[in-house]
Amino acid sequence: QVQLVQSGAEVKKPGASVKVSCKASGYTFTSYGISWVRQAPGQGLEWMGWISAYNGNTNYAQKLQGRVTMTTDTSTSTAYMELRSLRSDDTAVYYCARDMGSGSYGAFDIWGQGTMVTVSS
Amino acid sequence: DIQMTQSPSAMSASVGDRVTITCRASQGISNYLAWFQQKPGKVPKRLIYASSSLQSGVPSRFSGSGSGTEFTLTISSLQPEDFATYYCLQHNSYPPTFGPGTKVDIK
Repeated sequence: QVQLVQSGAEVKKPGASVKVSCKASGYTFTSYGISWVRQAPGQGLEWMGWISAYNGNTNYAQKLQGRVTMTTDTSTSTAYMELRSLRSDDTAVYYCARDMGSGSYGAFDIWGQGTMVTVSS
Repeated sequence: DIQMTQSPSAMSASVGDRVTITCRASQGISNYLAWFQQKPGKVPKRLIYASSSLQSGVPSRFSGSGSGTEFTLTISSLQPEDFATYYCLQHNSYPPTFGPGTKVDIK
């Protein structure tokens, strides 16, 4: 079946970096993109950025520009999200979601199970 | 950026009630609007896409409508498993933006 499986929980110190993976299966990876969404404890959903699995084009949320990098490995159908210079307010559950991109209807139909990232000294 | 608002922010309802949640966009988004359900500690689940298309496997008591700037999600007869938080999402243009959510709990 179509699914996205994410890497496990992480605990990081302020200033460190984290890299979360999202492995796709059950569909043609390069026919879709991947969006990353995070949710701080008790808060709503925040879009972080999108990457095309077809050509690697990216679109990042302005507030994260310079701190986030999204990549894909088409040989393993895996997407990655790296966030640098971590702060306490980056503590959140991070989700990947299948997304054909804005202006299409194939948006956010499949989600990964989420990865808890805790930033604490 | 397109701002999304939802009303109400929270509501109490009883099993069997008809529930309507409204989502408004700060500018026109055609019908690039999706609705998600999220239960505590769980992954968001897409219920509706293209404003009114029901996601496969989602019960028919859920329906969506609207175009442009105003959209609604309706649950025709609330069931115990429907108590959750509901989010709208516009994906007409970057950045995609979520509404702040509507929490539906038991009266």
